[in-house]
Amino acid sequence: SQTIHQWPATLVQPVGSPLSLECTVEGTSNPNLYWYRQAAGRGLQLLFYSVGIGQISSEVPQNLSASRPQDRQFILSSKKLLLSDSGFYLCAWSVPPETQPQHFGDGTRLSIL
Amino acid sequence: AQKVTQAQTEISVVEKEDVTLDCVYETRDTTYYLFWYKQPPSGELVFLIRRNSFDEQNEISGRYSWNFQKSTSSFNFTITASQVVDSAVYFCALTRGEGNEKLTFGTGTRLTIIP
Repeated sequence: SQTIHQWPATLVQPVGSPLSLECTVEGTSNPNLYWYRQAAGRGLQLLFYSVGIGQISSEVPQNLSASRPQDRQFILSSKKLLLSDSGFYLCAWSVPPETQPQHFGDGTRLSIL
Repeated sequence: AQKVTQAQTEISVVEKEDVTLDCVYETRDTTYYLFWYKQPPSGELVFLIRRNSFDEQNEISGRYSWNFQKSTSSFNFTITASQVVDSAVYFCALTRGEGNEKLTFGTGTRLTIIP
């Protein structure tokens, strides 16, 4: 069966520090991968999605970036965090080509001080 | 552009009452999919249902039921005989049906079941 792992579960970082959140999927090949952010009291906002290794699409301009160095690995990064980057970050995957429900990881709660 | 509106920000009901969560969507696509997800306090999103735009039959799964009406662009979710474990934030979402799998989420409805 497929599983998705996301870590760390919680993270407290100072403003201006770098960020690296990692997501890996097991039990499936060539998944579509997604990073979402959920700000406090708000819905989910799609940040990035990837349909293959090295293929990243950005949905919103920001100081975050994403990379997909391996088929089932998706990394969310920042060189310098801003206060506005605080939130709950969720990784998700789905199986192309048909539209499938997206399956989400447990999330990372990021607090910027 | 696609849009999903969940006008109910928060709902509280007493346990065993029925509750309906509203979802209204906007899309210009003729083929699309609608979803409901549950986000319990632990944070992860749990998939509940997917419905395509050509299937307007209502669906029932245990205490959960969904009413899809294209005429009013609504996809409402009803929980019958609510339980405390139903307390969560519920998201309605929409995606195109052409291989583009980007989900457009509503802002969610926080449901609290009072014991």
